Amino acid sequence: SQQGEEDPQALSIQEGENATMNCSYKTSINNLQWYRQNSGRGLVHLILIRSNEREKHSGRLRVTLDTSKKSSSLLITASRAADTASYFCAPGGGNKLVFGAGTILRVKS
Amino acid sequence: KAGVTQTPRYLIKTRGQQVTLSCSPISGHRSVSWYQQTPGQGLQFLFEYFSETQRNKGNFPGRFSGRQFSNSRSEMNVSTLELGDSALYLCASSLETQGTGSPLHFGNGTRLTVT
Repeated sequence: SQQGEEDPQALSIQEGENATMNCSYKTSINNLQWYRQNSGRGLVHLILIRSNEREKHSGRLRVTLDTSKKSSSLLITASRAADTASYFCAPGGGNKLVFGAGTILRVKS
Repeated sequence: KAGVTQTPRYLIKTRGQQVTLSCSPISGHRSVSWYQQTPGQGLQFLFEYFSETQRNKGNFPGRFSGRQFSNSRSEMNVSTLELGDSALYLCASSLETQGTGSPLHFGNGTRLTVT
C-alpha cells in the first residue's frame, strides 16, 4: 500500500454547506478507501471505491476516483456539526494501509 | 456484533517500564493491525497479524512487538518505554484475505502516556 496525500490540510465551513476534500497518490491501485476520525477516537471506514469504479455514493457522501490523474475526492453534502472530524484516504488496499496527515474538517453551527 | 475492543483505554507508565496492550477483534475477523498515532508523526503502521502470524511490519524498533492468539485476539508490547512512545495506539481488525481490500474496523485506542 502507499500513502495518500489529502488536500486541503484543513477546511472550515458552515453547517449546511458542502465539503470537498481530495486525495492524490503515486502508483496504480486496486481500490481506495476513505476513513473518518473523530477527536481521540478510532477511525471509521466510510467508503471503498474500486479502480474500475468512477463514482460511489453512500448517504451524504460521494466519492470519485480518477485513475488517470491518480486522485480521488470525497464530497460531503449538507454538512452537519457532527461531520467535524479528520478525514483520511488510504490508496491501494490490503492491511498495511498507510495514512497521510488527513484533512481536518470543521463544521460550524 | 460487538466492535473492536481495546484495553485499557488509558495508561500511564514511567520511562524504562514495559507495557502490554490488548485488542479483541470483531468475531470472525482473522486479521489484526496495529497503528501508532502521534501529533508529530500522524498515523503509523506498526504490524499486522493474520492467523497468528505476523504478515506485515512497519518501521519501528524491536522494542515494539506483538502477537496474535488462536482466537484472533492480539496483544502488543512495548519494552523500555521512552517519552516518545506516548501516543494513541489503535488496533483494527478485518476479514482481509490479502489484496481484496476489506475495510478496517478500528477500536477506540489505548492512550499511553510515558512520564
